[in-house]
Amino acid sequence: DGGITQSPKYLFRKEGQNVTLSCEQNLNHDAMYWYRQDPGQGLRLIYYSQIVNDFQKGDIAEGYSVSREKKESFPLTVTSAQKNPTAFYLCASSRYPGQNSPLHFGNGTRLTVT
Amino acid sequence: GEDVEQSLFLSVREGDSSVINCTYTDSSSTYLYWYKQEPGAGLQLLTYIFSNMDMKQDQRLTVLLNKKDKHLSLRIADTQTGDSAIYFCAETSNTGTASKLTFGTGTRLQVTL
Repeated sequence: DGGITQSPKYLFRKEGQNVTLSCEQNLNHDAMYWYRQDPGQGLRLIYYSQIVNDFQKGDIAEGYSVSREKKESFPLTVTSAQKNPTAFYLCASSRYPGQNSPLHFGNGTRLTVT
Repeated sequence: GEDVEQSLFLSVREGDSSVINCTYTDSSSTYLYWYKQEPGAGLQLLTYIFSNMDMKQDQRLTVLLNKKDKHLSLRIADTQTGDSAIYFCAETSNTGTASKLTFGTGTRLQVTL
């Protein structure tokens, strides 16, 4: 079955440590996205990538970094510079980066930093 | 800038219809989406509507779009306990060659027996 896999489901880290969240898709989609979800808020866009080896900052990119070396993979690193990293992180992909290409989401990674 | 607003909570009885409302601000949005999120899970695409339509029906789901008022609604007929979830509407805006979804805060639907 095609889909988006995020791992791990739960992640715990100490403050000051960088952590990388995995996102893999086997849908052959060109575009991939990272969103952050906080309680009572909508999703906010962190980074997106329209094509391999290219990515753009979203609305809240500070303290995060990404790479897109392969079409199927778009890992997100939460660095120690991110002031408030505890959140639910959602990865998504779309067939192509256009308005009429719906996003498909993974099941998310809940990151807790203490 | 873009802003999408939804009420936070809706409670309905099983078997009744649910109507979830959403207002958006970007008049250039050509596609508007409804997503469903169950606890601890990602978002599942429910349906979407193109801006030149005013209604779309898909089984128990009916989407109504009032482009003049920038108002979008999702009606769920014969609501079931399995429909309990958070529902997000989202508008799209173009950022060059990429599209960007702006999500509302989500409406938590509670279905009671």
